[in-house]
Amino acid sequence: GEDVEQSLFLSVREGDSSVINCTYTDSSSTYLYWYKQEPGAGLQLLTYIFSNMDMKQDQRLTVLLNKKDKHLSLRIADTQTGDSAIYFCAETLGAGNMLTFGGGTRLMVKP
Amino acid sequence: GAVVSQHPSWVICKSGTSVKIECRSLDFQATTMFWYRQFPKQSLMLMATSNEGSKATYEQGVEKDKFLINHASLTLSTLTVTSAHPEDSSFYICSALQADTQYFGPGTRLTVL
Repeated sequence: GEDVEQSLFLSVREGDSSVINCTYTDSSSTYLYWYKQEPGAGLQLLTYIFSNMDMKQDQRLTVLLNKKDKHLSLRIADTQTGDSAIYFCAETLGAGNMLTFGGGTRLMVKP
Repeated sequence: GAVVSQHPSWVICKSGTSVKIECRSLDFQATTMFWYRQFPKQSLMLMATSNEGSKATYEQGVEKDKFLINHASLTLSTLTVTSAHPEDSSFYICSALQADTQYFGPGTRLTVL
């Protein structure tokens, strides 16, 4: 079956870079996503990457995909206090398919 | 673009009553919508896949008679929690599929007293 895992917690200082890691087990995954959830709110799509890509950069966000190791990471450069939230990685086998979420990583940014 | 709304954003109800939650895609049509449930400090669990014009597909362990889903139009799916009990208290989030991506609503917090 599908399994997506993340570390529970990450604490960084404002201005530092944050790296949130995710591992998945299903090698058939075709799309991998990063979502941000602020307290009491829904999910905000941050970025996504197709499985045939190794890297995707979008402003302060860099997504790295190691398909061989089934490892996905999200790097946030110059982390700000507004970045404090829970970050979920998710994978799907294809468009229109359900998402399987990791447990979420709580990012705390200290001033 | 790709905005999804949910209504209500929060609801408190008495045990035994039914609650309807609406999920709307505001600026696009969505043949497929998904309903997720999130328990405190936990990840999201898919409850069901809602397809316009057909019956919803429920995940294992989700009671279809308790969680009624109707996807009557390309922009609206509803989730009705029937005969709600305190254990149904949760954060319910819908998403609507556009092309390859799911866009999420802001969520509805249900509290059953």
